[in-house]
Amino acid sequence: DTAVSQTPKYLVTQMGNDKSIKCEQNLGHDTMYWYKQDSKKFLKIMFSYNNKELIINETVPNRFSPKSPDKAHLNLHINSLELGDSAVYFCASSQGTGASEAFFGQGTRLTVV
Amino acid sequence: RKEVEQDPGPFNVPEGATVAFNCTYSNSASQSFFWYRQDCRKEPKLLMSVYSSGNEDGRFTAQLNRASQYISLLIRDSKLSDSATYLCVVNPLSGGSYIPTFGRGTSLIVHP
Repeated sequence: DTAVSQTPKYLVTQMGNDKSIKCEQNLGHDTMYWYKQDSKKFLKIMFSYNNKELIINETVPNRFSPKSPDKAHLNLHINSLELGDSAVYFCASSQGTGASEAFFGQGTRLTVV
Repeated sequence: RKEVEQDPGPFNVPEGATVAFNCTYSNSASQSFFWYRQDCRKEPKLLMSVYSSGNEDGRFTAQLNRASQYISLLIRDSKLSDSATYLCVVNPLSGGSYIPTFGRGTSLIVHP
């Protein structure tokens, strides 16, 4: 069984569209994250949720809206997609408040054309 | 100053070589430290945690120096399969939760 799963794996869409990426973890973890990995391979934190509550919201355009219906799910909705949003988006989770290792999903490769 | 800094490399070494990576971090309140490995077009995966007393896992040795705020990873007897990007991860506390903060990664290429 996949511990952290994201869908879709690939997403190609036109500028201006709205899209969502889903993430689910079956590890019983309390904390979930979204990261963006750009073309230079830098993994940058976007959001962190602990028990469905938003903990961290880094400098991310408000076109990006995370939603956590329960502590096993953290979805990412993106409005009005721009070319610069093209990247790989990783979901991750960790136990408790996040001091222990984070487990990553396989990533969603988003290409905006 | 970046929160977590690493030499991006690439480090190009022959099989059997010993190679060392360093990483420095800026937040002295960071509580936990890790090395992750990321293969091309894959997700990061935990290689090992890093403890103050230093720890070893087979050919891999990790060290933490809190006073100087740096972390190191030593790989002995490099294998072709060690070729990957090695990510230093530091967990500073923010808003009651720890946020895994990544360095930009160090690229390792092991050649025959």
